[in-house]
Amino acid sequence: GEDVEQSLFLSVREGDSSVINCTYTDSSSTYLYWYKQEPGAGLQLLTYIFSNMDMKQDQRLTVLLNKKDKHLSLRIADTQTGDSAIYFCAEITDASGGSYIPTFGRGTSLIVHP
Amino acid sequence: DAGITQSPRHKVTETGTPVTLRCHQTENHRYMYWYRQDPGHGLRLIHYSYGVKDTDKGEVSDGYSVSRSKTEDFLLTLESATSSQTSVYFCAISESRGGRPVEKLFFGSGTQLSVL
Repeated sequence: GEDVEQSLFLSVREGDSSVINCTYTDSSSTYLYWYKQEPGAGLQLLTYIFSNMDMKQDQRLTVLLNKKDKHLSLRIADTQTGDSAIYFCAEITDASGGSYIPTFGRGTSLIVHP
Repeated sequence: DAGITQSPRHKVTETGTPVTLRCHQTENHRYMYWYRQDPGHGLRLIHYSYGVKDTDKGEVSDGYSVSRSKTEDFLLTLESATSSQTSVYFCAISESRGGRPVEKLFFGSGTQLSVL
């Protein structure tokens, strides 16, 4: 079945750029997402990219998609302590019978040091 | 913010008792999902729905059942709660356009369930 993999931890200094990586296995993925979860809270949609795009930029966030390698990355420029959270990569694909199933990675804990 | 309400927000129950969690949406979205979140496992799909009375199993459906009798409500029932079902449960919704989901997947705030 579908699988989404992420590294579990990333530590950066405040002001540096953070790059969180994700790989997926399903070549029929339609949308790919990045979600942010702060402690004790639900998931907040950060950004998404269609599978027919290579890059999407939204203020400090840049998403890069390499469809050939099935690799997705999230770059956060000028990382701040408020960016400390768990970041989830997710993809949605067409399951059998026309249903659409979002699949999530295990999440990357981003720790930002002052 | 999308109109998704999960209830209760916190629940403590005893092993062997039935428990029902509710997800209510005001967006009239077609797709609804139940996930559980556990340390080291991320989010795992329990059940999902693609319309009223249309539901299907996810990867961790054993011990859970769902019902969707109205567009706005998706109920998750633990038939006989076990300690392994202690978790945070999230509901999510997604709009449909032309039968396919659109890009936005919205989450509720979660229900913390403890089974003692």
